[in-house]
Amino acid sequence: DAGITQSPRHKVTETGTPVTLRCHQTENHRYMYWYRQDPGHGLRLIHYSYGVKDTDKGEVSDGYSVSRSKTEDFLLTLESATSSQTSVYFCAISDTGSGNTIYFGEGSWLTVV
Amino acid sequence: QKEVEQNSGPLSVPEGAIASLNCTYSDRVSQSFFWYRQYSGKSPELIMSIYSNGDKEDGRFTAQLNKASQYVSLLIRDSQPSDSATYLCAVGNTGNQFYFGTGTSLTVIP
Repeated sequence: DAGITQSPRHKVTETGTPVTLRCHQTENHRYMYWYRQDPGHGLRLIHYSYGVKDTDKGEVSDGYSVSRSKTEDFLLTLESATSSQTSVYFCAISDTGSGNTIYFGEGSWLTVV
Repeated sequence: QKEVEQNSGPLSVPEGAIASLNCTYSDRVSQSFFWYRQYSGKSPELIMSIYSNGDKEDGRFTAQLNKASQYVSLLIRDSQPSDSATYLCAVGNTGNQFYFGTGTSLTVIP
C-alpha cells in the first residue's frame, strides 16, 4: 500500500460539466502525477507536480487543469467534460533520490455521457 | 519523444513454463527501469526495479537490463495462473519523469 487515496473511485457525469478528481498521499513525496489509461494507448501523462504550487503539463493536458496547494493533495479538474475524457485516471507519486520509483493509486473510473 | 516499446501480445504459456517479456526504450540517458503487473480493473503494481546492467532476481522473477542495447526484459519462472495479467515496462530519468510501454498481456494456461 503506497499511501495514495483517490476520490471519487467511480463517477458518471454529463458532457459539459466540470469534474474534479482528488489524490491524497500520506508519504510526503515531492512528485505527484495524473495519468489516464486507455486501451491501445497505455498510460499517458496529463499533468505532474514537483512541489506545492509547482506543476507542469504532460503529453495530454488539453482540457485538464491541476492544482497542488498542499504537499499531500493533487487535484485534477476537467473544466468541461467531454466523452473523449471517459477513461480511468491514475494518480501516482514518486520521490527524489537514487532509486526513485513511481507508485500508483487505485484509480478513478470516469464516464462522461 | 521518449518511447518505450513492448510486444502487446497476447503471450500464452503453460503453467510451470518460463514467460519472457521484452521491452526496448529510446532515451539513452534513462536511469531506472521497472516492471509493473496490472490485473484487469486494477492499478499497476510494481514487481521489479533495476538500475544497472545485468540480472536482478526476486523470487520467480528476473529482470535483465542491457543499456548498450537499450533493452529490458522480465523472466517469470514456474509461471502460475495467478501471473495472468498485463505487464507494463517503465523507464525513468533523473528528472523523475517516467515513460510507459503499452503493456504485454500474459495468459498462463493451467
